[in-house]
Amino acid sequence: EAGVTQSPTHLIKTRGQQATLRCSPISGHTSVYWYQQALGLGLQFLLWYDEGEERNRGNFPPRFSGRQFPNYSSELNVNALELEDSALYLCASSPTGRTEAFFGQGTRLTVV
Amino acid sequence: AQRVTQPEKLLSVFKGAPVELKCNYSYSGSPELFWYVQYSRQRLQLLLRHISRESIKGFTADLNKGETSFHLKKPFAQEEDSAMYYCALNYGGSQGNLIFGKGTKLSVKP
Repeated sequence: EAGVTQSPTHLIKTRGQQATLRCSPISGHTSVYWYQQALGLGLQFLLWYDEGEERNRGNFPPRFSGRQFPNYSSELNVNALELEDSALYLCASSPTGRTEAFFGQGTRLTVV
Repeated sequence: AQRVTQPEKLLSVFKGAPVELKCNYSYSGSPELFWYVQYSRQRLQLLLRHISRESIKGFTADLNKGETSFHLKKPFAQEEDSAMYYCALNYGGSQGNLIFGKGTKLSVKP
């Protein structure tokens, strides 16, 4: 069974640009979660999508947004990039109603 | 506010020694607690959850509501246990409300 896949693995952007990160959940999983793992801050919850709808949002500014597609894959968009957005962005998926999350390898975003 | 605290950034023990990774949480309702582990160059994965009351790779964790703790324990550490360990709290009945501690790096020396 293929796990959660994220692309790209690494992404380098300049301040002010936009970044798009992608996530493909495990087949059959309808929920996708995004986390930011910045150095020294642990995993911070960003967004939760289920069945195509945004269900919950963490304490992040509106320039962090995303969507979930009909095939349950998801995009995370970060607009007007700031240096402090540099972090590892993790995607996780789970079946609807289940509480176990399966994580991808992450996308390392570097803002210069 | 809900919070998960892992007081130790780094825990270093010798092989065969007992291990206890501490986790305290702040939540007024009925929590669901997890331990996740990340081995070197691998993705974050679920180690165990309190509702299962199971032992995985020799690790156990008991929820103590009185002390609001969910410490992870293993009687005899192995070198392959070296990894980052994250305690996580699920509140509100959905995974979208899963919050993590900052993690403890366990180093098991030969």
